[in-house]
Amino acid sequence: KQEVTQIPAALSVPEGENLVLNCSFTDSAIYNLQWFRQDPGKGLTSLLLIQSSQREQTSGRLNASLDKSSGRSTLYIAASQPGDSATYLCAVTNQAGTALIFGKGTTLSVSS
Amino acid sequence: EAGVAQSPRYKIIEKRQSVAFWCNPISGHATLYWYQQILGQGPKLLIQFQNNGVVDDSQLPKDRFSAERLKGVDSTLKIQPAKLEDSAVYLCASSPIARTGYVGYTFGSGTRLTVV
Repeated sequence: KQEVTQIPAALSVPEGENLVLNCSFTDSAIYNLQWFRQDPGKGLTSLLLIQSSQREQTSGRLNASLDKSSGRSTLYIAASQPGDSATYLCAVTNQAGTALIFGKGTTLSVSS
Repeated sequence: EAGVAQSPRYKIIEKRQSVAFWCNPISGHATLYWYQQILGQGPKLLIQFQNNGVVDDSQLPKDRFSAERLKGVDSTLKIQPAKLEDSAVYLCASSPIARTGYVGYTFGSGTRLTVV
């Protein structure tokens, strides 16, 4: 059974810092991996998707990497801003068309 | 395009009462998901539909939860009777049919249920 773990559970940083969020999964036979952002009282917004054949994806100040063999992914946020404060969720799918399996998330707080 | 619509946004009920949630997916999206997100945890799949057929309901507590998707469009999720541990946010998501490549998921804002 696939399990997704995210560490740390919470993180507080001052504005401008670069930071790394970690995600690990127990079954390396994934189809793809996604990072989502969740703001309080809101739904989930997809940030980055990495297909199983890819090593990384970048969007603006965000960079996500994937190491399938070790069952790990990292989300790198450069030059953090207070607007980045949210919960970041990592999720994998095991096959095309199947549901996402989520970690518990990392709650990020960026202070100005 | 319009997003995934869910209602109500909030609901407070007493234990042993019943409650229903409604979801309208993005037009043309064949696949619909209901997730349960308990405070401090990630969303957990309850049920996945493709058109009006059930693909996966292995984690749905069938003694109290039921869901339907009539005509392959809107969906309702019902809890009867509710327990205190059902307090959570119920998220609906939709996606096109996945044949190959990336499938985009769109999530609604969720319904926050409090059982007292």
